This record gives sequence, C-alpha cells and structure tokens, in this order.
Amino acid sequence: SQQGEEDPQALSIQEGENATMNCSYKTSINNLQWYRQNSGRGLVHLILIRSNEREKHSGRLRVTLDTSKKSSSLLITASRAADTASYFCATSEGGSEKLVFGKGTKLTVNP
Amino acid sequence: NAGVTQTPKFQVLKTGQSMTLQCAQDMNHEYMSWYRQDPGMGLRLIHYSVGAGITDQGEVPNGYNVSRSTTEDFPLRLLSAAPSQTSVYFCASSYSGAAGQPQHFGDGTRLSIL
Repeated sequence: SQQGEEDPQALSIQEGENATMNCSYKTSINNLQWYRQNSGRGLVHLILIRSNEREKHSGRLRVTLDTSKKSSSLLITASRAADTASYFCATSEGGSEKLVFGKGTKLTVNP
Repeated sequence: NAGVTQTPKFQVLKTGQSMTLQCAQDMNHEYMSWYRQDPGMGLRLIHYSVGAGITDQGEVPNGYNVSRSTTEDFPLRLLSAAPSQTSVYFCASSYSGAAGQPQHFGDGTRLSIL
C-alpha cells in the first residue's frame, strides 16, 4: 500500500541546532501532512501542505514538498528539548479516504 | 472541549476474549478512524467511517469490527482476541474526510493480550 517513509529513523541533536526529517512517498498525492507524537500520547497535527505548494511555514517549522521527487522535508529550527518526539508524515492517494502514515523519525533534542 | 476520548486507557485480555474499545468525539466531526501502532511499524489503518451509518476497511481490518450509529461514537470490537492484536490503538477524527483535513487523535488504548 502507498506509504510515506521517513528518514532518518532516529536523530539526536543538541538544543539550538536545526533538525531535518525527510519523507518519501510512492504515488501521486493531493496533500501531505506532518504530525508529532510525544511519548505515551496521541499524534498532534503540525502542518498540511498541498500538492500545488512548494513550501510552508508555521512558527519554527518549515515544510517543503517536491512532487517530482515524491518527497517532503520537515525542518525544525532552533530546536528545544520540548521538541523531543516522534514525527510522522501522512498521505492519501487521489480521492482516497485512507490516510496512510509512515514509520516515523524519532527526534531527541539534548539540553 | 474534550476532543477525542478513548476508553479504557489500558486493558489486559486473555486469548479468545472479546472487548470493545470506545471512541467518542465532541467536535461534530464526520470522519473517524482507528489505527494500531506497533513498534517499528508506524500507524496502520484498521477501519474508518465517513459518516454515521457508513464504515469501510483500512489496511489491517481482520479480527476487528466497527459500527457508526451516531456521529459522536465509533467503537472498535475485537471478537476473539489474539496475541497478535497486542498493540496501542488510536482513534482519530476530522471535520470531513482524511485527505486535506487535520486529524485529531485520542491518547490511545494500550491493549495486551496474553
């Protein structure tokens, strides 16, 4: 089944550094979403980027989308210990009502 | 606003037992879905519903039943629990549909089957 795949699987950085996570997917999409999951909690929606958009910002988050390469990246600038979490991309194919998640990137921000 | 509420938070079952995981949302969302999350597997879609009275299968529907008699509730039933169903289960909802709509998640039900 179509699925986003995040890269890397795990990332450890120091507070203040930038963190970049990548997502690749297999088929044409209308939009792509990024979510955060803190340990033991449900997922929280971060940002949605549509297929006709190339870049989107929300606070310290920057998401890019390259439909020709079927890939997206999530950049967190000036990271904080509170950004420690797993990050997932999610896509749905065409008019499908099925939202499919990748396996996630586990980000650790060390104080 | 309570958002998406899942009960129970934890449950231990014996193989062959049945149970219902409850999910309720108070946001008048039409779309609701169930996922299971296993280590290294990400989230996998079990069943979803685009509105009251309408349900459909996701990626891993076997062993699970759902119904949607009201807009607010979307229970997930395990008819005969198996150890392979040990997982964390998440319910999610959105205003309409999965595509192009932010999903609101509950905090999950952690289910162990012995």
